[in-house]
Amino acid sequence: DTAVSQTPKYLVTQMGNDKSIKCEQNLGHDTMYWYKQDSKKFLKIMFSYNNKELIINETVPNRFSPKSPDKAHLNLHINSLELGDSAVYFCASSRRGGVGSPLHFGNGTRLTVT
Amino acid sequence: GDSVTQMEGPVTLSEEAFLTINCTYTATGYPSLFWYVQYPGEGLQLLLKATKADDKGSNKGFEATYRKETTSFHLEKGSVQVSDSAVYFCALGRMDSNYQLIWGAGTKLIIKP
Repeated sequence: DTAVSQTPKYLVTQMGNDKSIKCEQNLGHDTMYWYKQDSKKFLKIMFSYNNKELIINETVPNRFSPKSPDKAHLNLHINSLELGDSAVYFCASSRRGGVGSPLHFGNGTRLTVT
Repeated sequence: GDSVTQMEGPVTLSEEAFLTINCTYTATGYPSLFWYVQYPGEGLQLLLKATKADDKGSNKGFEATYRKETTSFHLEKGSVQVSDSAVYFCALGRMDSNYQLIWGAGTKLIIKP
């Protein structure tokens, strides 16, 4: 009964390819997020959705496109992958956006672009 | 703008040693403060939080006190275990933060038996 699940766990692909990462949460949360963690563990928010509405859209290349078919799912599609996209991508959710609602993270998707 | 500064790691300690990981912040208003922990190969999970000045958050033997006068939220544990080896993140959030937490850079903790 995993709370926030991401697939795949590992993704190895070549430059120029298009790939997707899927995320599902079964916590009934309203808000979902995508974070990128680099090799030095630095965490950067990419996107946030609240009830399927895009709330946060940080400075991210437009090759990255999030899609939220319903409030339990938030997928990340990446076009024309580049070497610099290699990182661990985390999906997270919270009961409601804003202060005080803890984030629940998935276990991450390690993306390696060769 | 708001920011969070953590002590650089890695921090290496022996089992049963006393732990302090420093965290200071810059923010307007009255932010809430958090510590998250990331064990190897896993996502982050909330360790503890404090929502107003002088609050003390605690969990699993870890404690942190919200000190507004020094704008700090240092993480402490009296006796660490090998299983505490992880990366620890300090973060802050404000009511008008539009769902966004401000994260520290993370501090890697290594506990040797």
